[in-house]
Amino acid sequence: EAQVTQNPRYLITVTGKKLTVTCSQNMNHEYMSWYRQDPGLGLRQIYYSMNVEVTDKGDVPEGYKVSRKEKRNFPLILESPSPNQTSLYFCASSPPGDRALNEAFFGQGTRLTVV
Amino acid sequence: GQNIDQPTEMTATEGAIVQINCTYQTSGFNGLFWYQQHAGEAPTFLSYNVLDGLEEKGRFSSFLSRSKGYSYLLLKELQMKDSASYLCAANNAGNMLTFGGGTRLMVKP
Repeated sequence: EAQVTQNPRYLITVTGKKLTVTCSQNMNHEYMSWYRQDPGLGLRQIYYSMNVEVTDKGDVPEGYKVSRKEKRNFPLILESPSPNQTSLYFCASSPPGDRALNEAFFGQGTRLTVV
Repeated sequence: GQNIDQPTEMTATEGAIVQINCTYQTSGFNGLFWYQQHAGEAPTFLSYNVLDGLEEKGRFSSFLSRSKGYSYLLLKELQMKDSASYLCAANNAGNMLTFGGGTRLMVKP
């Protein structure tokens, strides 16, 4: 089954403790991205990657890191999480071509709470 | 910069038609998208417009006017299961997808 898988689905952590949210897709998509979703602010793009070893900042990259060492995986790293990073996070991937960015497939989301 | 505006909430009756509007301002424009998101779930793709005009897909249609920076999503024959948030998003020339805040649609019997 074609899917985007995020782990964990739920995470409560403490300020300053490094964490990684994994994202994996099995559709051989080149484009992958991370979003955070907050009430009243909608989905905001954190980072995106057009292909392996190519990553770019989105609208709200501060406090986050990503890597794209292989096509299928695009982990999101919070080196020193802070309470303002409490949010719902979505990973997404898209196929190549002209419609590359529109038919994004989203993972099920990771609800992160930083206390 | 980029700015996407859509109403926060709308209410409609089962069986009726509802139109959700979206206005956008982007530096470079490469297409306008609509996603549906049920509470607690991931967004799912609904439609894509890059040229002016209406795209119809069953009960859902999406319209785009590039000159006006305006789009709408039209939902016909509303069903209770259409209660969800509808997200408008614009793709700019820099390959970034910017989402609006979403419109929460409540369908009542």
